[in-house]
Amino acid sequence: DIQMTQSPSSLSASVGDRVTITCRASQSISSYLNWYQQKPGKAPKLLIYAASSLQSGVPSRFSGSGSGTDFTLTISSLQPEDFATYYCQQSYSTPQGFTFGPGTKVDIK
Amino acid sequence: QVQLQESGPGLVKPSQTLSLTCTVSGGSISSGGYYWSWIRQHPGKGLEWIGYIYYSGSTYYNPSLKSRVTISVDTSKNQFSLKLSSVTAADTAVYYCARGTFFGVVISWGQGTLVTVSS
Repeated sequence: DIQMTQSPSSLSASVGDRVTITCRASQSISSYLNWYQQKPGKAPKLLIYAASSLQSGVPSRFSGSGSGTDFTLTISSLQPEDFATYYCQQSYSTPQGFTFGPGTKVDIK
Repeated sequence: QVQLQESGPGLVKPSQTLSLTCTVSGGSISSGGYYWSWIRQHPGKGLEWIGYIYYSGSTYYNPSLKSRVTISVDTSKNQFSLKLSSVTAADTAVYYCARGTFFGVVISWGQGTLVTVSS
C-alpha cells in the first residue's frame, strides 16, 4: 500500500502570508498527486490535480509542484477564505484504489 | 453541472448493515468516463476511500473494508449505492459519494451524510 504523509499537521498564518504544505508518498507516484481543500462541515474541493494542474475556477494563488515522492502545495498570499484543512491524495494506484494524506489544518495566527 | 446527493438512515445499530444511496443529477452515470465513489470521514479525522464502481458494474474496494463492502449501480435511476455490513461504532462517520476520473481525481462530491452506529 502507498502511504501518504503531510507536514506540518497544522500551521498558523496571517492574511497575506505565503504558505507551503508538504506531502510525501511512501513510494514513487510520478505526478499522480492531487490536492483538496476542506472547510468545516463541507465536502472537500479539488484544487490541484496531477501535481501541478490548477482545477478550473481555483484562484491562481494556489499552486502545486513535485514529482516522485515529494510534493508541495503553495498559497502565495493567504486570504481569509483559505483557512481550511488541506489534503493530498495519491491516484497512482488507480484503479486499485487511492489514499489521502492525514491533512494539514491552516488557521489564523 | 453534475450534483450528487446522499440519502439513507442516519442511525444504524451495531452488527447491522449500513445502506446509503447516491442520486446523481445533471449528468448520466451510464455515459461513462467516470468512477463513482464512496469516501468516508470519521469525526474530526481524515478521508478514507471506501471503493468505487464504473457504470458497467466493475468495482474496486479498499482492501481494509473489502470483506464488508458492496457498491452497486442502478443506471435506470441514475443512482449508486453502498452497503457496509457488520458495522461497529468504528464505522461512525460522514459518508460522501463522489465522482472521479479514470486518473483517480475526485472532481465532484456530495454534501455528505453522517451515519452513527449506536444501539
